Amino acid sequence: ETVMTQSPATLSVSPGERATLSCRASQSVSSSLAWYQQKPGQAPRLLIYDTSTRATGIPARFSGSGSGAEFTLTISSLQSEDFAVYHCQQYNNWPWTFGQGTKVEIK
Amino acid sequence: EVQLLESGGGLVQPGGSLRLSCAASGFTFSSYAMSWVRQAPGKGLEWVSIIDGSGYSTYYADSVKGRFTISRDNSKNTLYLQMNSLRAEDTAIYFCVYGGNDSFDIWGQGTMVTVSS
Repeated sequence: ETVMTQSPATLSVSPGERATLSCRASQSVSSSLAWYQQKPGQAPRLLIYDTSTRATGIPARFSGSGSGAEFTLTISSLQSEDFAVYHCQQYNNWPWTFGQGTKVEIK
Repeated sequence: EVQLLESGGGLVQPGGSLRLSCAASGFTFSSYAMSWVRQAPGKGLEWVSIIDGSGYSTYYADSVKGRFTISRDNSKNTLYLQMNSLRAEDTAIYFCVYGGNDSFDIWGQGTMVTVSS
């Protein structure tokens, strides 16, 4: 199966700053990559699919990029509501697999 | 608005069984694939199973194959997960998810399953 590795495990960022999260696949997943946000005690929420397409209602400060096996989620200016865990997921190679998550915390 | 409401979680002994349900609303249920994804305490997400809109095609993660059965009742807009021969490592929050043919679009709030003696 395709192993998804996210880095860093924890990212400490001040409000208003830029956050850059990485996701690496053990083999190519083409552009079949999604990102989810999960707040404590809540279900994940789809942020981005197909590497760079924002889901309905997702603010423009969230952007995704990459292809093949290297992907990035960028949050341009962190808001208080953005502090959460972010998961990547590939859907190119069966079974679909997730990364272990990156926690974005307040610095 | 798509809404998914899981139920059926709880405490069960190793080797026991449990059936989870997910009541769906806000969309044409029979037209969409549905999935179960789980999250062990403090851990990442793991896809468990998917079923197509008709209910005829189902797929499972190797970790649950032969023990779990996904099904749906399109007349009741309800998704199910029958879990047998439960193990401690099945302890997790189980999320019902709209979609799964590619990304997982909308998630229920989850139901906790604890396997312990």
